[in-house]
Amino acid sequence: AAGVIQSPRHLIKEKRETATLKCYPIPRHDTVYWYQQGPGQDPQFLISFYEKMQSDKGSIPDRFSAQQFSDYHSELNMSSLELGDSALYFCASSLGALSTDTQYFGPGTRLTVL
Amino acid sequence: GQQVMQIPQYQHVQEGEDFTTYCNSSTTLSNIQWYKQRPGGHPVFLIQLVKSGEVKKQKRLTFQFGEAKKNSSLHITATQTTDVGTYFCAGPGGNTPLVFGKGTRLSVIA
Repeated sequence: AAGVIQSPRHLIKEKRETATLKCYPIPRHDTVYWYQQGPGQDPQFLISFYEKMQSDKGSIPDRFSAQQFSDYHSELNMSSLELGDSALYFCASSLGALSTDTQYFGPGTRLTVL
Repeated sequence: GQQVMQIPQYQHVQEGEDFTTYCNSSTTLSNIQWYKQRPGGHPVFLIQLVKSGEVKKQKRLTFQFGEAKKNSSLHITATQTTDVGTYFCAGPGGNTPLVFGKGTRLSVIA
């Protein structure tokens, strides 16, 4: 079965640079979620989109923005990167945006900011 | 805001021993979900509990949802090395679709 695809899998950036992470949800899934996971930490919700509209917003810094496109893929744009942004970034997708709709996580993008 | 507390943080067991992780919420949950994350991997959905007092089993894994829908537990019988990973509970939290507990990292010694 098709899974959530994230690219790139690894990314190394310098401080103050920008980064764009991409997420391709499971086919026919209409909801995308972004999470940030620091080392040894639990995933922290950043933002989600349902049918191309922002549905919920969590602890996403103002330096970050995201959108969901007409083909339902999503991109997380990160600017003015800081050392503390180094983390695993997971995208998850679901069919529906209810809390009872199962979220399927992608393999993640490991971002390292030097 | 919504908080989900999970204990213990770490658990080391001998292969064949049982393991339990507990999750407590500050508020009543409409549902609770459990995920497993292998080292270097991504969270994988295990199960969702919705009903008060619900008990579900998946082979050696038993999941319970408390009567007040504020706590939950995951019990693994006779652990195996393949059970190694971090187990997270997660529940809806206001404007956050899922609030994760801190997770319990399970190590299994063969």
